[in-house]
Amino acid sequence: EVQLVQSGTEVKKPGESLKISCKGSGYIFTNYWIGWVRQMPGKGLEWMGIIYPDDSDTRYSPSFQGQVTISADKSISTAYLQWSSLKASDTAMYFCARHYFGVDGSGSEDSWFGPWGQGTLVTVSS
Amino acid sequence: QSVLTQPPSVSAAPGQKVTISCSGSSSNVGNNYVSWYQQLPGTAPKLLIFDTNKRPSGIPDRFSGSKSGTSATLAITGLQTGDEADYYCGTWDSSLSVVLFGGGTSLTVL
Repeated sequence: EVQLVQSGTEVKKPGESLKISCKGSGYIFTNYWIGWVRQMPGKGLEWMGIIYPDDSDTRYSPSFQGQVTISADKSISTAYLQWSSLKASDTAMYFCARHYFGVDGSGSEDSWFGPWGQGTLVTVSS
Repeated sequence: QSVLTQPPSVSAAPGQKVTISCSGSSSNVGNNYVSWYQQLPGTAPKLLIFDTNKRPSGIPDRFSGSKSGTSATLAITGLQTGDEADYYCGTWDSSLSVVLFGGGTSLTVL
């Protein structure tokens, strides 16, 4: 069974650093992108970025570029999302998901996420 | 404001059919594949439809996807109370080189 398991709930203070993780199993970790998605309280899904664990090729949403760092350690099938200095506005649920990306013969691009991790709740409060 | 526009909410009675629209542009929905996700209350999103109209194994055929021009549609037939959830569309935008999600639609089964 393909599965992504995320690290647990975090409660941090503004200005602190944080690194959360997402461990894949049941498939060849280096063959698929891994994506990170933010969901603020009561809001919708926001794409943060994706990483290809085999070569660590990383793409960021312009909204999150420079705000977070996405990385991966293929030796332990784990992807990471980290902050160097948290803000209260980073309070949210963060999901990782296996990401498929392809281009068909006509040039149409194909992107979807599945399965998803269970989510990591990050609360930043003084 | 999402680039992909979904109605904030839809509702229908048990056993009925409901459709949820996802409107975009030629750089995303119009020329690329669309996916749909179901998020039950308090849980992670789940892939419902990929490649615009394909269902992952385990997803019942009550759920179907289609596309016409720059608008995609998720249809759910034989509504059940367990279908009450938020539904999101997703796609790739070729001009921006980003993943896009719709703003989400809350389904109520009356």
